[in-house]
Amino acid sequence: AQKVTQAQTEISVVEKEDVTLDCVYETRDTTYYLFWYKQPPSGELVFLIRRNSFDEQNEISGRYSWNFQKSTSSFNFTITASQVVDSAVYFCALSEAGQGAQKLVFGQGTRLTINP
Amino acid sequence: NAGVTQTPKFRVLKTGQSMTLLCAQDMNHEYMYWYRQDPGMGLRLIHYSVGEGTTAKGEVPDGYNVSRLKKQNFLLGLESAAPSQTSVYFCASSTQGIARNTEAFFGQGTRLTVV
Repeated sequence: AQKVTQAQTEISVVEKEDVTLDCVYETRDTTYYLFWYKQPPSGELVFLIRRNSFDEQNEISGRYSWNFQKSTSSFNFTITASQVVDSAVYFCALSEAGQGAQKLVFGQGTRLTINP
Repeated sequence: NAGVTQTPKFRVLKTGQSMTLLCAQDMNHEYMYWYRQDPGMGLRLIHYSVGEGTTAKGEVPDGYNVSRLKKQNFLLGLESAAPSQTSVYFCASSTQGIARNTEAFFGQGTRLTVV
């Protein structure tokens, strides 16, 4: 069975600090897809990144970066120089490759609070 | 561009009442999904559809029924609401073939309270 664990329930930091959100996953599939979504206080889900299991290259997008390590089944998310607008709940999710559908298995979410 | 639209946004039901949540997407996506979000548990898949006229069970299907009579609409029904179904419901859609570099698009959510 697939499983995603986000061990950090809540994180609180001061603005401009760097913060890393951890994500550990379990799957028996050799091909799978990993995602990060942001849920701001307004409640909608905002797509941040998708990573394919066969592509272990790390990615940087502005202040956001992602570290994918198959050896440790982890897909961690780092925000550099955090800002108050980064305050949100962040979800890591996993999808298997079969049937073409994106049946996402979500982690419990990490509530990130950036204090001014 | 509306994307994925859920109706209604909020609803309060009494135990035993029935209701239908409507999800509409205008992106011509093949796949549609219903998730529920509960505190501390992330989102869990209720039902999904791989095309018009098809439905399939997800992780937590009990107490819900779905229908996909038109490609752009995916309905979630509660025949006899229970307090355990108090949750935030999200609809999502995705284009065909996960191997393509795409993501699922989510609606704004429906907050349902069963009293």
